[in-house]
Amino acid sequence: QTVVTQEPSLTVSPGGTVTLTCASSTGAVTSDYYPNWFQQKPGQAPRALIYRTTNKHSWTPARFSGSLLGGKAALTLSGVQPEDEAEYYCLLFCRSTWVFGGGTKLTVL
Amino acid sequence: EVQLVESGGGLVQPGGSLRLSCAASGFTFSNSWLTWFRQAPGKGLEWVANINEDGNRRYYVDSLKGRFTISKDNAENSLYLQMNSLRAEDTAVYYCARHSNWGFDYWGQGTLVTVSS
Repeated sequence: QTVVTQEPSLTVSPGGTVTLTCASSTGAVTSDYYPNWFQQKPGQAPRALIYRTTNKHSWTPARFSGSLLGGKAALTLSGVQPEDEAEYYCLLFCRSTWVFGGGTKLTVL
Repeated sequence: EVQLVESGGGLVQPGGSLRLSCAASGFTFSNSWLTWFRQAPGKGLEWVANINEDGNRRYYVDSLKGRFTISKDNAENSLYLQMNSLRAEDTAVYYCARHSNWGFDYWGQGTLVTVSS
């Protein structure tokens, strides 16, 4: 059973930069894990931000970027806005199944 | 405009069955993979199942194999999730989503399933 691990919570100041990471218990995350990132605000459905490690959807703000960093998938927010306060989930393709991380609660303070 | 609208949720007793539907519009449904996700109250997201364009390839999370069945009707632009032998731990909001290019771009608003006596 693959376990995907994210930071439970992070805090960032408005205008700052923050990186969220996503690790797999199976080893280093590579592009073959097809990392996806989602944003979810209370009471709302998740919104897709990043797919296939680095690709943005047409609605994804430019301040969001995806990468691989130190054996993990990463989501970096540059120039954080108050409206970026939300839960962020990564999703990895592991051994023919899709597995979510537990989510990172991002506070903008 | 792409739209996915789930329906069919509600209150069901343990051991019961329920069939969820997801009505799709705004894209070529018959050429699309579709997915069900779920989210228990106050918890994280869980991938449930995928189905390919023709409906002849289906993939499930191991923990649900045998109880849940994903299907799609390309003539009706509809995705389904048949859920049998329901348990309290199946209580969740169920979301359908389009699976495209190794991403999950468009999501519905979800339908709540509550399993309780």
